[in-house]
Amino acid sequence: AQSVTQPDARVTVSEGASLQLRCKYSYSGTPYLFWYVQYPRQGLQLLLKYYSGDPVVQGVNGFEAEFSKSNSSFHLRKASVHWSDSAVYFCVLSAGQGTGSKLSFGKGAKLTVSP
Amino acid sequence: NAGVIQTPRHKVTGKGQEATLWCEPISGHSAVFWYRQTIVQGLEFLTYFRNQAPIDDSGMPKERFSAQMPNQSHSTLKIQSTQPQDSAVYLCASSAGQCAETLYFGSGTRLTVL
Repeated sequence: AQSVTQPDARVTVSEGASLQLRCKYSYSGTPYLFWYVQYPRQGLQLLLKYYSGDPVVQGVNGFEAEFSKSNSSFHLRKASVHWSDSAVYFCVLSAGQGTGSKLSFGKGAKLTVSP
Repeated sequence: NAGVIQTPRHKVTGKGQEATLWCEPISGHSAVFWYRQTIVQGLEFLTYFRNQAPIDDSGMPKERFSAQMPNQSHSTLKIQSTQPQDSAVYLCASSAGQCAETLYFGSGTRLTVL
């Protein structure tokens, strides 16, 4: 069985502050991990993904995430948030590469960036 | 590239009526996925097609829900005899098949059953 836990359902940070959104996964095999963002009234958009190699992956708009096998984690970070980063962020796990692998979605973390 | 197109954006039905949701995947993408999103349950997988063939419908409620992909340019999700608990945002996504888990999502159809 596989699962994803995002422990912080709501996060508020001030504009210009740094951000970390936590993600823990449970899976016995090799995970493929993603972060998606959902802006209001829109579908999900891919921020970044990790398949293998360098555990720190860069994404769009200054986001990065770090994979840790020992901690079963894939935390998302940004050095300085902007008001436009306010959205819901989903951590996603795939059990295998290849079409058809069902994805496990975290419950999402709603980020509010205050002025 | 217009992305994944879902229509309608909003649909309101009365209890017991039928609802048909449409999805046009990105041209050239071989896989189409349907998800349901609610506040309580989050994102739930419903069904998935590859090259128009149904591959996995394990997330579909056994009664009243059906999905089809009659051609590579569109897929439909049909809900018969809609119930208030069917109210949700239904998301369609497509992928190219190589990096299959990179899904491209539509904006969703918000279904409200009164």
